[in-house]
Amino acid sequence: EDQVTQSPEALRLQEGESSSLNCSYTVSGLRGLFWYRQDPGKGPEFLFTLYSAGEEKEKERLKATLTKKESFLHITAPKPEDSATYLCAVQAGSGYSTLTFGKGTMLLVSP
Amino acid sequence: SAVISQKPSRDICQRGTSLTIQCQVDSQVTMMFWYRQQPGQSLTLIATANQGSEATYESGFVIDKFPISRPNLTFSTLTVSNMSPEDSSIYLCSVTAATYEQYFGPGTRLTVT
Repeated sequence: EDQVTQSPEALRLQEGESSSLNCSYTVSGLRGLFWYRQDPGKGPEFLFTLYSAGEEKEKERLKATLTKKESFLHITAPKPEDSATYLCAVQAGSGYSTLTFGKGTMLLVSP
Repeated sequence: SAVISQKPSRDICQRGTSLTIQCQVDSQVTMMFWYRQQPGQSLTLIATANQGSEATYESGFVIDKFPISRPNLTFSTLTVSNMSPEDSSIYLCSVTAATYEQYFGPGTRLTVT
């Protein structure tokens, strides 16, 4: 059974204080690992897809990395508008298959 | 990425009634999905909405409780039947097209009293 564990559950940062969120996964044959941002009362917003160990992707203050067992979402010099819940999901197997989501990390950035 | 809309955005319903949620996409998509997000929880897949055939349900979800329609490549509905307070959740539609990335709609917040 595919499993995704995100840590920490919640993280409070001061504006400008860089940090990382962790997503550990157990899956038989990773096809892709996805990061989403979810604001309260809204649907998840797609951020990144990572397909193979060693891959990195960046978007503004966010950088996602992938190893064979985990992914990190690095947040550099965060701003209050980065406050949200960040979700990680994995997709396994060949062809199209469904996503398994972690419980998310709730990030709060204080000015 | 596709633009996805859902109706209604929120509703308050009485126990024992049913609610149909609509999902509209601005372009033809290969696959459409319905998720549930209970308060404080992550997303759980209810079913895959297949165009021209019956939906494929995940373990723990049945067609009698969550009937799904997908009449074409841009539209789907999810009905929550015979509702109870435990059905209070956010219901999300998502789509995937040529790539394997999934994009989500804004969600429908359902409260059952």
